[in-house]
Amino acid sequence: DQQVKQNSPSLSVQEGRISILNCDYTNSMFDYFLWYKKYPAEGPTFLISISSIKDKNEDGRFTVFLNKSAKHLSLHIVPSQPGDSAVYFCAAGLNTGTASKLTFGTGTRLQVTL
Amino acid sequence: GAVVSQHPSWVICKSGTSVKIECRSLDFQATTMFWYRQFPKQSLMLMATSNEGSKATYEQGVEKDKFLINHASLTLSTLTVTSAHPEDSSFYICSAITSGSWSDIQYFGAGTRLSVL
Repeated sequence: DQQVKQNSPSLSVQEGRISILNCDYTNSMFDYFLWYKKYPAEGPTFLISISSIKDKNEDGRFTVFLNKSAKHLSLHIVPSQPGDSAVYFCAAGLNTGTASKLTFGTGTRLQVTL
Repeated sequence: GAVVSQHPSWVICKSGTSVKIECRSLDFQATTMFWYRQFPKQSLMLMATSNEGSKATYEQGVEKDKFLINHASLTLSTLTVTSAHPEDSSFYICSAITSGSWSDIQYFGAGTRLSVL
């Protein structure tokens, strides 16, 4: 049972335009959500997070939107840059009392073209 | 800051042998480390959660005798794949958090690709 889904395996966007990456989840108990970026041969690096009690969090060119009623979140990158080309993973965190467990989506490969 | 080093990055071994993978937090003390496994075109699947000085907590379906985890210090956790078989071939990746707070950000190593012949 895939609790976190990224239905688009790939996305191509022109440099300077907006990139929108989507993520859906099924478990309404998730406490917070994160986006990670992964380059080849490297581990995922943290990008941005959002608590389940908020609907928007912004950090520079990156904004995450959360729609709890739809169980949907999205990552907006604007303007997109060639260096943003990577695989983006959506993750959902569930508080288990101590450390939070993360459930990951399958990733979306973003290609920013010139 | 918050650098996690994982070694080796790639290992090939014969069926029946054991392989040890190390995960180190280089510039912080990691109260908790996580071990994940990723199959091609699939998401990262949590295998176990390891806390320094205590036994690891394994996810359902993960054989604890197969995947031995040791978290002997605040900067080092190891995953040993015992008596490896070709079906154990996968990408293994670790992560670490600092304070143990439930909302702490996980910092990842670069991963280890294991190929069992």
